[in-house]
Amino acid sequence: AQSVTQLDSQVPVFEEAPVELRCNYSSSVSVYLFWYVQYPNQGLQLLLKYLSGSTLVESINGFEAEFNKSQTSFHLRKPSVHISDTAEYFCAVSSGGSYIPTFGRGTSLIVHP
Amino acid sequence: NAGVTQTPKFRILKIGQSMTLQCTQDMNHNYMYWYRQDPGMGLKLIYYSVGAGITDKGEVPNGYNVSRSTTEDFPLRLELAAPSQTSVYFCASSSGAGEAFFGQGTRLTVV
Repeated sequence: AQSVTQLDSQVPVFEEAPVELRCNYSSSVSVYLFWYVQYPNQGLQLLLKYLSGSTLVESINGFEAEFNKSQTSFHLRKPSVHISDTAEYFCAVSSGGSYIPTFGRGTSLIVHP
Repeated sequence: NAGVTQTPKFRILKIGQSMTLQCTQDMNHNYMYWYRQDPGMGLKLIYYSVGAGITDKGEVPNGYNVSRSTTEDFPLRLELAAPSQTSVYFCASSSGAGEAFFGQGTRLTVV
């Protein structure tokens, strides 16, 4: 069975400060890892993904995440956040060829001016 | 390119009524999913399908039914609505190992 733990339900931060949203997963087989973002009253959109290869993956808007197999983590980071980054962020895992994503509970990123 | 389309966007049901949430995708994806989202609980998988004619239960299937007669459509049926089914429902599709594409959601209130 696979599971995802997002350790923080809410992360407040000031604009232009760095941020890290934490995600740990549990799976006994190889995994695919995803971060999705959800803006108010919208569906989820893919932010970035790890399928294989380089363990550091980046998004087009400055976010990055690193797959750490030994620590079973896939933390999301951004060196300098903007007001427009305020949203709900979900970590997801699918594994073992099942292609059925399991989602964490989400982390609300709140960027203050 | 429409992607994943869900209808309706909003609905209020009385206890005991039934309804069907519609979901259509135009990306020829084999995998389709229904999730419900409740505050602070993330997304819970209700049902999923790996292709036309094949469906299976997810984590929270009770009170729901699905069918998949075509690749494009994956409707979710609520037979006897209960207040516990008040939620936001998301349909998604994927080609497999890659990303899932989500619809805009259906906000359902059962009173």
